[in-house]
Amino acid sequence: GAGVSQSPSNKVTEKGKDVELRCDPISGHTALYWYRQSLGQGLEFLIYFQGNSAPDKSGLPSDRFSAERTGGSVSTLTIQRTQQEDSAVYLCASSLVGTSGAYTQYFGPGTRLTVL
Amino acid sequence: GQQLNQSPQSMFIQEGEDVSMNCTSSSIFNTWLWYKQDPGEGPVLLIALYKAGELTSNGRLTAQFGITRKDSFLNISASIPSDVGIYFCAGLRETSGSRLTFGEGTQLTVNP
Repeated sequence: GAGVSQSPSNKVTEKGKDVELRCDPISGHTALYWYRQSLGQGLEFLIYFQGNSAPDKSGLPSDRFSAERTGGSVSTLTIQRTQQEDSAVYLCASSLVGTSGAYTQYFGPGTRLTVL
Repeated sequence: GQQLNQSPQSMFIQEGEDVSMNCTSSSIFNTWLWYKQDPGEGPVLLIALYKAGELTSNGRLTAQFGITRKDSFLNISASIPSDVGIYFCAGLRETSGSRLTFGEGTQLTVNP
């Protein structure tokens, strides 16, 4: 499809385990964002990648969270030693930069993470 | 991070009624976006606003970028059952690069 895709759609894990969440942005989009959405809440910014620039990691809640973007396309968000408070929907978005409407971010369906 | 103040938190209306929701902040924003999120899906962009005072429509939806650049509203006219969902405002500040700040959402329920 032409939209942002994320996998898995659902992930249940035990406390203390590591998890990896994947995002495939829209082809040609240079910017990629990760957000976290807790139940009934708005979206919390986690990290932003733009081209070859150093990522903006200022939203990551702890050093257990990390993300990488390989080849300027696919991104993986890794959470180490998961805690119950990490349970949330993790949303990925991508956008063009440098054109009109550059900040129009298109979202994937999200990965629902449940930490038992 | 900083949240936008979005209100109301929830609305229960009858089909055919008009709806209005808004977002305010103590900070100035350069861009306002309105998204709708259906259950189990990511937010979908409805309207984007780039200039203070701008009034933009998308079908039955109308949104405005406040003159002070600290607020925005979204109106939905003649609501229909498929308007049900959570509506989020999002703003982009000059000092925040490409980081969007989101409101906490308005849950809309439309009774047929």
